[in-house]
Formats: sequence, structure tokens, C-alpha cells
Amino acid sequence: GNSVTQMEGPVTLSEEAFLTINCTYTATGYPSLFWYVQYPGEGLQLLLKATKADDKGSNKGFEATYRKETTSFHLEKGSVQVSDSAVYFCALSDKGGIRGGSNYKLTFGKGTLLTVNP
Amino acid sequence: SQTIHQWPATLVQPVGSPLSLECTVEGTSNPNLYWYRQAAGRGLQLLFYSVGIGQISSEVPQNLSASRPQDRQFILSSKKLLLSDSGFYLCAWSLGAGEDTQYFGPGTRLTVL
Repeated sequence: GNSVTQMEGPVTLSEEAFLTINCTYTATGYPSLFWYVQYPGEGLQLLLKATKADDKGSNKGFEATYRKETTSFHLEKGSVQVSDSAVYFCALSDKGGIRGGSNYKLTFGKGTLLTVNP
Repeated sequence: SQTIHQWPATLVQPVGSPLSLECTVEGTSNPNLYWYRQAAGRGLQLLFYSVGIGQISSEVPQNLSASRPQDRQFILSSKKLLLSDSGFYLCAWSLGAGEDTQYFGPGTRLTVL
């Protein structure tokens, strides 16, 4: 079956440091790949998405490139801020469901806690 | 624009009591709807999903159930709560017709004592 593996945290950085959170996946076919962010006590917010090989998703200074050859989707940011402190989830989509594949399910990694200190 | 609401935001219930959590989506029609549970310090577990009114698929056996009485309303229920039902419950929606991005609600924190 499909799976997503993220680097285990917690990750602690100083403000303006470079961030990398590793994510690798196992899937059949060509899933879409996602990064979601969860701030304390809140739901998940979509951070970025890529739908095919070599696509780069980007948002709020974060980037991730869909690497089919290494089955990876690593999250990067050049200069983190205190406000980036949160849990980050890597996920992939998977067709399935009741109506002939029109429903997609997401498979999530276990999440990586990022703490940025001033 | 679309919005998703969940209530209550927090809930403390005794073991053996019933449960009803509600999720509603505004600004779209015939969405796919999902219930997830997030246990403390762990990832997300998909509990149920629905592609239409009255159509519910269960992902894991448990003492929870889900219903979709209206197009944009999704309810998570239990007749008798267990301690292990404690967690953070998240509702999500996506467009139908091949769109795979899911958008999450603010969540409900459930504590069973």
C-alpha cells in the first residue's frame, strides 16, 4: 500500500536558519504530493502541492519539488521565522472510494514538529 | 469562497456517554467529506469519508459512526464513548470529480474521562 515517511522531529532552529524537512513516499501510479501545516490547537492548512514529476510547489517562502526518481518531496525554506513554528505533514493522494475512483484519500506522514527560536 | 465549520471546539465527556460532532461546509455543492482523528503526538487517521448524501465509507472498525443527512453536513457519532476515543477530530472537504486537495476544519478537541 501507499506510505509516507517523514524525518522525525522535533526540529529546533534559530530564526533566519535554513530549513529542510525530508519526506519520501511509496505509491503505485503517480500521486499528487502535499505539504500541510498545523499551528497549535488548529486544523491543517494546505501549504503547497505538486501534481507531477519535477513540479515545484511553493508558498510563503516554502518550496518542495516532486522527485520521482528518488520518490521524495522535501520541504525547504531559506530563512525561517518564529511564526513558522508548527507541525508539518507530508501527504500523498490515492484514488479510491465508492464511485469509480472519483474520490481521493490522503495518506499522511506522522508529522514533524518545528520550533523556531528568536 | 468556501468555508468549513466544526462544533463544538472542545468537549469533555464521561466514558459511556453518547457523542455527536458536527461539520458543515459552505460555498460549494456535493463536496466529498472526511472525518479524521489525531491522537496526541501522532499522525492523522482517516475514519470515514462520504461522496454524497447517505453514502458513508468506514476506514477502521470502531465504536464510531458517521452520517451525512444533508449535502454539506457531516456528523460523527458514538452511542458509548471509550477512553481511547479521546483525541482531536478533524473534518475535511474536497471537490468531487477528480480533485484531490482536501481542506480542513478547525477541529474538535474531545477528552473522555
